[in-house]
Amino acid sequence: DTGVSQDPRHKITKRGQNVTFRCDPISEHNRLYWYRQTLGQGPEFLTYFQNEAQLEKSRLLSDRFSAERPKGSFSTLEIQRTEQGDSAMYLCASSPSRDRPRNEQFFGPGTRLTVL
Amino acid sequence: DAKTTQPNSMESNEEEPVHLPCNHSTISGTDYIHWYRQLPSQGPEYVIHGLTSNVNNRMASLAIAEDRKSSTLILHRATLRDAAVYYCILRVDNAGNMLTFGGGTRLMVKP
Repeated sequence: DTGVSQDPRHKITKRGQNVTFRCDPISEHNRLYWYRQTLGQGPEFLTYFQNEAQLEKSRLLSDRFSAERPKGSFSTLEIQRTEQGDSAMYLCASSPSRDRPRNEQFFGPGTRLTVL
Repeated sequence: DAKTTQPNSMESNEEEPVHLPCNHSTISGTDYIHWYRQLPSQGPEYVIHGLTSNVNNRMASLAIAEDRKSSTLILHRATLRDAAVYYCILRVDNAGNMLTFGGGTRLMVKP
């Protein structure tokens, strides 16, 4: 399977704990995106990388959130001191770096986080 | 970013055509119209996009109004597998950055 993969698919944690999610993009894609989706809403952009450089961060990305893409391949999203409001589906997407409007994004299946 | 407006939900019968509308009255000349859909328990997937002319691909057709203030995604024969949330998204020319999703339209397909 050459699609975007995410791990884990589900995570249940207690409030105050730290969690880390991993995303493996399609191998030739230079751009990687993180989104968050709460129940009944469309996904909301969090941040994106061009290779290893983090180029844009949403205001949704509080200082408890940090994302990395150290070698320009896989990415991790860490949430420190989780809160119940962090419960959501965290989606990763990747796309080629062609600077054209089509720039289709390929999404992974997501990691569903539940904070108790 | 220009905003899009879609109905919250629509119903269709299996094997009938479905027309999913989207209003984008504040669209600018360089905004492309993209459609993504999200099947249950999956991430979104690209469906189609266009700028001014109508577009067809194996999944759907996109009809764009002459003034570009609205568009319609057309599924020619709905199947049960087409039940999903469909998102109409505007993307600024040359901005290969984030997608700005609205609430989308939940399409229900009846057998």
